[in-house]
Amino acid sequence: EVHLVESGGGFVQPGGSLRLSCAASGFTFNNYAMSWVRQAPGKGLEWVSLIRDRGDSTYYGDSVKGRFTISRDNSKNILYLQMNNLRADDTAVYYCTKVCYDSRGYRAGFDYWGQGALVTVSS
Amino acid sequence: DVQMTQSPSSVSASVGDRVTITCRASHDIGYWLAWYQQKPGKAPKLLIYAASTLQDGVPSRFSGSGSGADFTLTISSLQSEDFATYYCLQANALPLTFGQGTKLEIK
Repeated sequence: EVHLVESGGGFVQPGGSLRLSCAASGFTFNNYAMSWVRQAPGKGLEWVSLIRDRGDSTYYGDSVKGRFTISRDNSKNILYLQMNNLRADDTAVYYCTKVCYDSRGYRAGFDYWGQGALVTVSS
Repeated sequence: DVQMTQSPSSVSASVGDRVTITCRASHDIGYWLAWYQQKPGKAPKLLIYAASTLQDGVPSRFSGSGSGADFTLTISSLQSEDFATYYCLQANALPLTFGQGTKLEIK
């Protein structure tokens, strides 16, 4: 059974930093791209970042580019999100997600989600 | 960026009703469209991917259709557990983008 467990959320002041971790189990971690998706309180879903299976390519949404860094440790089955220069509008629940593929091997969405980690940025 | 426009933003319906939610992409995204269900305080759940492929374990009353820029999620006969918020996601191009959500409420 697939499990994704986030940790590292919390309260931070504007301009501060935080690192989220996501421990993955129940699947061959290094065969799948992984992603972070966030949801501000009472708002919709926003894609944040994606990393390919080997960690050699990373992608970011415009709102976090240059401030957030996604990485992974395939030897430990852990996904990370380093968040720097945090702003109030980064306040959200951050979900770790596993990328799924269609029958031809193309990215098709996210099939498993963690329970989410709340990040609150406030002075 | 591909913009995803969902409609309606909210809908009221009764148990047993047939409900349709639509998602329109600003560009052709082929069939790389997924649908999610989210209940309050919970993570989203994948219902359908590749526009019409039902995720394992999802009831057959859920179905998806469409390609290119126009997509539809249909719930054939609403059950009480289906009242939730639904989102579409385009997986064709980065940045991946979600629709703004459709809240399905009990009439």
